[in-house]
Amino acid sequence: KQEVTQIPAALSVPEGENLVLNCSFTDSAIYNLQWFRQDPGKGLTSLLLIQSSQREQTSGRLNASLDKSSGRSTLYIAASQPGDSATYLCAVFISSGSARQLTFGSGTQLTVLP
Amino acid sequence: NAGVTQTPKFQVLKTGQSMTLQCAQDMNHEYMSWYRQDPGMGLRLIHYSVGAGITDQGEVPNGYNVSRSTTEDFPLRLLSAAPSQTSVYFCASSSSVYEQYFGPGTRLTVT
Repeated sequence: KQEVTQIPAALSVPEGENLVLNCSFTDSAIYNLQWFRQDPGKGLTSLLLIQSSQREQTSGRLNASLDKSSGRSTLYIAASQPGDSATYLCAVFISSGSARQLTFGSGTQLTVLP
Repeated sequence: NAGVTQTPKFQVLKTGQSMTLQCAQDMNHEYMSWYRQDPGMGLRLIHYSVGAGITDQGEVPNGYNVSRSTTEDFPLRLLSAAPSQTSVYFCASSSSVYEQYFGPGTRLTVT
């Protein structure tokens, strides 16, 4: 069974700092990995999608990397801002036979202090 | 293009009542899925569908029923609500490369 772990569970940083969020998964036979942002009481917003054949994706101040062989992904946030405060979730998608399943990590709660 | 829509936003049920959570998407996506989100448990897959007429179970399917008669709609039915089903429910649909798009969620309380 696929398990996804996110470390740290919570992180507090001063504004302007660069930071890295970590995600690890136990089964490397993934189809893709997706990073989401969730604000309190809200739904999930997709940030970045990395296909299994890719090593990284970038969008603005965000950069996500994927090392499938070691079962790891990182989300790098440059020059953090208070508006980046949210919970960040990673999820891996498995497409195997007739099974199509997305498994989530428990998230990293990020607070960026002004 | 509304994306993924869910109704209702909030619902309170009594134990034993039944109800249907609605989910619709206008992106012509084949894959749709339902998740529940609980504190300390994260998001867990309930049921999913790879196309009209095809559904399968996820990690926590007990107490829930789904069907997929059209590409656009994927309702989730609670047959006999229990307090353990108090949760926030999210519906998602995905593109051909399985990039997931989530709806705004339904907050359900069962008393």
